[in-house]
Amino acid sequence: NAGVTQTPKFQVLKTGQSMTLQCAQDMNHEYMSWYRQDPGMGLRLIHYSVGAGITDQGEVPNGYNVSRSTTEDFPLRLLSAAPSQTSVYFCASSSGTSSGANVLTFGAGSRLTVL
Amino acid sequence: AQSVTQPDIHITVSEGASLELRCNYSYGATPYLFWYVQSPGQGLQLLLKYFSGDTLVQGIKGFEAEFKRSQSSFNLRKPSVHWSDAAEYFCAVGAGDTDKLIFGTGTRLQVFP
Repeated sequence: NAGVTQTPKFQVLKTGQSMTLQCAQDMNHEYMSWYRQDPGMGLRLIHYSVGAGITDQGEVPNGYNVSRSTTEDFPLRLLSAAPSQTSVYFCASSSGTSSGANVLTFGAGSRLTVL
Repeated sequence: AQSVTQPDIHITVSEGASLELRCNYSYGATPYLFWYVQSPGQGLQLLLKYFSGDTLVQGIKGFEAEFKRSQSSFNLRKPSVHWSDAAEYFCAVGAGDTDKLIFGTGTRLQVFP
């Protein structure tokens, strides 16, 4: 029972490099989302998905791409990393039924540093 | 638009003292409200949630919260704090038609022995 698995846990990039943060869940959850956490700003929603093939933007989507080809996976792509994307990233999922009344399960986080 | 305000950035209490963390929300309809806790270097763990019904909800680790619609508040309380409660606490509101959550900026709790 792995829950929500994020990889890598730590990553250092140079400005302009690209990378993908992986997120996988084994709970057959329909809803998945990505948040970033920055000091003094709480968690801000980047992108979310209500099911395979469906994605939408959150509060801070610029500089990030997502896709949802399977129910289990929801990768977050940084096409050209910038220092402003230095943050801790959290993936979260929920069953998505009775929309809004479900509890999110969070991954352990991925700490990204962009130099 | 939905929003959550946690007015206290940092709170320090002595072990055994009572605790109240404040949370105010802005939402046009009946909100879904949550409190999460984050220990250093860890992910977020759900403490408790309010969907409907009894406005006083009990959570894990001895925490409780009270929903007050008239004050748009959902304050978290614990009668006697333990050193292991030192962490960051986040209040969140459900954004309605999906499981999107809007989080507050968090309150860091420090516990002195």
